[in-house]
Amino acid sequence: QSALTQSASVSGSPGQSITISCTGTSSDVGGYNYVSWYQQHPGKAPKLMMYDVSNRPSGVSTRFSGSKSGNTASLTISGLQAEDDADYYCSSYTSGSTLVVFGGGTKVTVL
Amino acid sequence: QVQLQESGPGLVKPSETLSLTCTVSGGSISSYFWSWIRQPPGKGLEWIGYFYSSGNTNYNPSLKSRVTISVDTSKNQFSLKLSSVTAADTAVYYCATGQSGDYWYFDLWGRGTLVTVTS
Repeated sequence: QSALTQSASVSGSPGQSITISCTGTSSDVGGYNYVSWYQQHPGKAPKLMMYDVSNRPSGVSTRFSGSKSGNTASLTISGLQAEDDADYYCSSYTSGSTLVVFGGGTKVTVL
Repeated sequence: QVQLQESGPGLVKPSETLSLTCTVSGGSISSYFWSWIRQPPGKGLEWIGYFYSSGNTNYNPSLKSRVTISVDTSKNQFSLKLSSVTAADTAVYYCATGQSGDYWYFDLWGRGTLVTVTS
């Protein structure tokens, strides 16, 4: 069981917007602005899409945005495109002894 | 640009020690946090631990008794050793780092290497 809770799957049509959620506790997501998001295509290494809640690394499309409210962080993908079809994982710093925790992943399907 | 590449045996017997190496090219290993992360087949990501250039290490408590991460600055490599492995340790193992100097997110990953624990 993952430390952070993500919905198993989200789907949308090309051009639509979708939001992936990631729920933790006050010891991780809610307590610090250290949430990150990763995109992973089959057989590939994860790719950083967002860090520190809402910061986009250089080269990541502006269609991706991040936010947080309380113990839940969100990644929104606007103008959904075929290449966005992938697994997405959230991660957070935690004040617990584990230091870094991940969510179980959300499968995004572009219809 | 900095690149990471994992290497090591793809098969390990139960109760033995898994040993992997990550070679850092295009940059120096003498700074930043160097982490290992694994992903069992069809499952999510699990942070294993990191080695910091100061010599400090930090491990996932669930693996702490079996894990050692170390660095060889002369070879620009860092390594992972996981002892007493079982089938539950079968996973793709990634080396990763945060080039900004933070350890809670990873903007550079190796391609990953599958390690299967089997007799």
